[in-house]
Amino acid sequence: EDQVTQSPEALRLQEGESSSLNCSYTVSGLRGLFWYRQDPGKGPEFLFTLYSAGEEKEKERLKATLTKKESFLHITAPKPEDSATYLCAVTGGTSYGKLTFGQGTILTVHP
Amino acid sequence: ETGVTQSPTHLIKTRGQQVTLRCSSQSGHNTVSWYQQALGQGPQFIFQYYREEENGRGNFPPRFSGLQFPNYSSELNVNALELDDSALYLCASSLAGQETQYFGPGTRLLVL
Repeated sequence: EDQVTQSPEALRLQEGESSSLNCSYTVSGLRGLFWYRQDPGKGPEFLFTLYSAGEEKEKERLKATLTKKESFLHITAPKPEDSATYLCAVTGGTSYGKLTFGQGTILTVHP
Repeated sequence: ETGVTQSPTHLIKTRGQQVTLRCSSQSGHNTVSWYQQALGQGPQFIFQYYREEENGRGNFPPRFSGLQFPNYSSELNVNALELDDSALYLCASSLAGQETQYFGPGTRLLVL
């Protein structure tokens, strides 16, 4: 069974203090690893899809990387508006259409 | 380009009742998936619909059922509601053969 574990559960940063979120996964035949941002009471907002180890993608202050066992979401010089829950998910094996999510990392950026 | 929309935004039901939630997929997308998200948890996969048929199902009982219509919109039906069904229900759409799913704003269901 596919499993995704995210750490830390919560992260508090000062504005401008760079850090990384971790997503460890176990899946038979990874087809894709996904990062989403979710604001309270809202649906997840798509950020990145990574398909193979070594792949990297960037968007503004965010950069996602992928290895064979984990993914990192690097946040450079965060701003208060980056505060949200960041969700990691995978698809793999024969479970087409099924995203398996981690529990999320709650990021709070203080001004 | 129109994103994924869901209705209603909020709903309050009592235990034992039935509920129908609705979803319109992003324009051009022909596949719809439904997820349940309990407070403080990641979303859990309920099922996916493609070509008006169920195309995969998670660990949810048969009282969770769905439909997809020719215009690719979808419904999630839950019978015999239980208190534990209280959650945010998310709909996501995608293009068949592509992995990335795009989510709607969700429907918050409270069962009393």
